[in-house]
Amino acid sequence: AQKVTQAQTEISVVEKEDVTLDCVYETRDTTYYLFWYKQPPSGELVFLIRRNSFDEQNEISGRYSWNFQKSTSSFNFTITASQVVDSAVYFCALTSGNNFNKFYFGSGTKLNVKP
Amino acid sequence: SQTIHQWPATLVQPVGSPLSLECTVEGTSNPNLYWYRQAAGRGLQLLFYSVGIGQISSEVPQNLSASRPQDRQFILSSKKLLLSDSGFYLCAWSASGGYNEQFFGPGTRLTVL
Repeated sequence: AQKVTQAQTEISVVEKEDVTLDCVYETRDTTYYLFWYKQPPSGELVFLIRRNSFDEQNEISGRYSWNFQKSTSSFNFTITASQVVDSAVYFCALTSGNNFNKFYFGSGTKLNVKP
Repeated sequence: SQTIHQWPATLVQPVGSPLSLECTVEGTSNPNLYWYRQAAGRGLQLLFYSVGIGQISSEVPQNLSASRPQDRQFILSSKKLLLSDSGFYLCAWSASGGYNEQFFGPGTRLTVL
């Protein structure tokens, strides 16, 4: 069965600190995709990244970086030099196998960045 | 560019009343469409998805239904709302095919009293 675990319910940091959001996934499929979404207080989910199971290269986009490790089934998200605008709930999601229309979302991590 | 619209933004309805939420997508054709519900605890629950006109897959048996009368229109309905139907309803679309990222609409906040 597919499952995504985000063990950190809520994290608080001070602006300019680095912060890592953890995501651990479970699937028996060899082909799968992982995603990160940001949900600011307005409510709309914003797509951040998609990564497939055959590409373990880490990704960097500005202050955001993602560390994909198949050996530990993790897809962690790091924000460098956090800013108040990064305050949001962040979701990790997985889709795999033949039912690739179904996303399995983690329960989310609420990030509070204080000035 | 593609945009996704949802309305209404907020809705307060009495128990037992009907419901109709609408979602439309612009700038793409033959999208996959999705309805999610997010309860107060923040997790997202997939309710329905559709890969084409008239094709609806239900993920959770409940008193809600969905329809796709046109290629880029997705409607969530209920004949009689329950208190437990309260939540934040999100519509999303993705390109057809598999494993594509989903793009979400602004959501509808439904309160059933």
